[in-house]
Amino acid sequence: QKEVEQDPGPLSVPEGAIVSLNCTYSNSAFQYFMWYRQYSRKGPELLMYTYSSGNKEDGRFTAQVDKSSKYISLFIRDSQPSDSATYLCAMSANYGQNFVFGPGTRLSVLP
Amino acid sequence: DSGVTQTPKHLITATGQRVTLRCSPRSGDLSVYWYQQSLDQGLQFLIQYYNGEERAKGNILERFSAQQFPDLHSELNLSSLELGDSALYFCASSTSGRAVDEQFFGPGTRLTVL
Repeated sequence: QKEVEQDPGPLSVPEGAIVSLNCTYSNSAFQYFMWYRQYSRKGPELLMYTYSSGNKEDGRFTAQVDKSSKYISLFIRDSQPSDSATYLCAMSANYGQNFVFGPGTRLSVLP
Repeated sequence: DSGVTQTPKHLITATGQRVTLRCSPRSGDLSVYWYQQSLDQGLQFLIQYYNGEERAKGNILERFSAQQFPDLHSELNLSSLELGDSALYFCASSTSGRAVDEQFFGPGTRLTVL
């Protein structure tokens, strides 16, 4: 079993839909969680960062962490074609430890 | 544009060869990370440097090595290349190298081993 799992997709949704992207993990020590967006032929860029459990909202994006279930989610409201990209979750156990990335979910928002 | 530069953009070479990938971090960033991204493995952390010193090691093969120079640029050396080394190699940088810091990724070097 991989340490961090994501459904690779592709996930296709119509413009304006609410998108739910998820990661599950096995290491209960993880407490720093990040979501990265990666456009084709580009490097990943940070979207959201959360520490421990709870929700965090930034514009159309909401990140949720449920440590008891070892499950994190990224919700995208009013999805746009420009949101079409691969979304990577990443997590770390402690302050200085390197992040473990999920394999990514490819999202396609259709106009 | 993240401010992180990587050269070359593309590299095609043969099995058994050695290549060097170069990364310049964002101005002011002291920490550099190297990642390998392949279709079947996703994004794999290789190694991290902070201010010239190795700070963390991930899934880096013994055939691979890296260093960070006094001007903070970094090089990743890949030797005895195999077909399976074909991948995108990303460099990222951050201010202090702590897990809480955002990492800024470069555009990547696409390595093809024939």
